[in-house]
Amino acid sequence: ETGVTQTPRHLVMGMTNKKSLKCEQHLGHNAMYWYKQSAKKPLELMFVYSLEERVENNSVPSRFSPECPNSSHLFLHLHTLQPEDSALYLCASSQDQGWPRFFGPGTRLTVL
Amino acid sequence: AQKVTQAQTEISVVEKEDVTLDCVYETRDTTYYLFWYKQPPSGELVFLIRRNSFDEQNEISGRYSWNFQKSTSSFNFTITASQVVDSAVYFCALASGYSTLTFGKGTMLLVSP
Repeated sequence: ETGVTQTPRHLVMGMTNKKSLKCEQHLGHNAMYWYKQSAKKPLELMFVYSLEERVENNSVPSRFSPECPNSSHLFLHLHTLQPEDSALYLCASSQDQGWPRFFGPGTRLTVL
Repeated sequence: AQKVTQAQTEISVVEKEDVTLDCVYETRDTTYYLFWYKQPPSGELVFLIRRNSFDEQNEISGRYSWNFQKSTSSFNFTITASQVVDSAVYFCALASGYSTLTFGKGTMLLVSP
């Protein structure tokens, strides 16, 4: 399997639930990213990891918690989300930290 | 501050027509990079091109071409002889040095048979 994969592809959760989004890349890249894509808004960078260390956190609320256990996997842990957090969450990777080269298909999240 | 403007929210064309997607950017940096990505209905963004600020040569790749003009701070994208498979949302983006990408809001292109 190659490229960037994300699971689940769709997720519906209540505001009190805890869930996690998973991203996997099989490209041997050292940097991974989480982006949020809301309707009618530009893509927003949430987190960047380089060599498993968080190098950027763009003022994201603490109800979003990233985890990068190794260079191939990236998680986004979600808890007590708000309806306005409903969006497409995209994972991406690149050889080195800089700009994202390959994107996953995204997780469509709906918060009720 | 950096900014990318894609004034066209949605464009509809008929197959085989040529179409140009506009992108205007703002940055105070002299060294920067410009990008185009395609997002088909499946969701993942597909990288199309990266161009640095010192290279103003136009680029052609098959039916795709890009026109970079520093004088007007524009980096426009033209699809020649459009096809239904070109239907997607197209994003222009800007990065300076090691800064993160600033994306435009995207232009949705609908190509009908």
